[in-house]
Amino acid sequence: GQNIDQPTEMTATEGAIVQINCTYQTSGFNGLFWYQQHAGEAPTFLSYNVLDGLEEKGRFSSFLSRSKGYSYLLLKELQMKDSASYLCAVIRPGGSYIPTFGRGTSLIVHP
Amino acid sequence: SAVISQKPSRDICQRGTSLTIQCQVDSQVTMMFWYRQQPGQSLTLIATANQGSEATYESGFVIDKFPISRPNLTFSTLTVSNMSPEDSSIYLCSVVVRFTDTQYFGPGTRLTVL
Repeated sequence: GQNIDQPTEMTATEGAIVQINCTYQTSGFNGLFWYQQHAGEAPTFLSYNVLDGLEEKGRFSSFLSRSKGYSYLLLKELQMKDSASYLCAVIRPGGSYIPTFGRGTSLIVHP
Repeated sequence: SAVISQKPSRDICQRGTSLTIQCQVDSQVTMMFWYRQQPGQSLTLIATANQGSEATYESGFVIDKFPISRPNLTFSTLTVSNMSPEDSSIYLCSVVVRFTDTQYFGPGTRLTVL
């Protein structure tokens, strides 16, 4: 099976930087996704990491270390609209493309 | 990317009835999935919709309760059968677009069972 851990909730100040961590324990690994989900809306794709290292995309960056089973999502210059749930998902090993989602981290950005 | 539409967007149903949710995507996709998301919870995969054959169900989900069809590459339906209040949830269609490794989600169907 797969076990994916994320903090349940985080708070941060507008304009600041926040790092949301995700650790996973799997028998194999085919990639890791980060999604953003605002309340009442569907998840939207943020990033996809399959190799070690940092992927930067505007204010958002995602890091992966396969040897440590660890990823983080880094959000810079936080805005109020970044208040949302952030979901980490690991693609199930075995060749089939089926992500398993963590419980999500609820980020609250305050002024 | 892909534009995914779901119908209905929301519904309120009586216990014991069934509801069929439709998912249509505007791109060629390789895989289609159905997820459930209960209030305050993460996404739970119900099944993978297979074109022209029976869906592949995850542990805890069965075809009699959640029959799924996928007659072509871009369309699928999920039926929630013999509903109970415990089935109240958001049901999401999701696809993987051909030639990409990215999974996209539809807007979801918010189901309330009374």
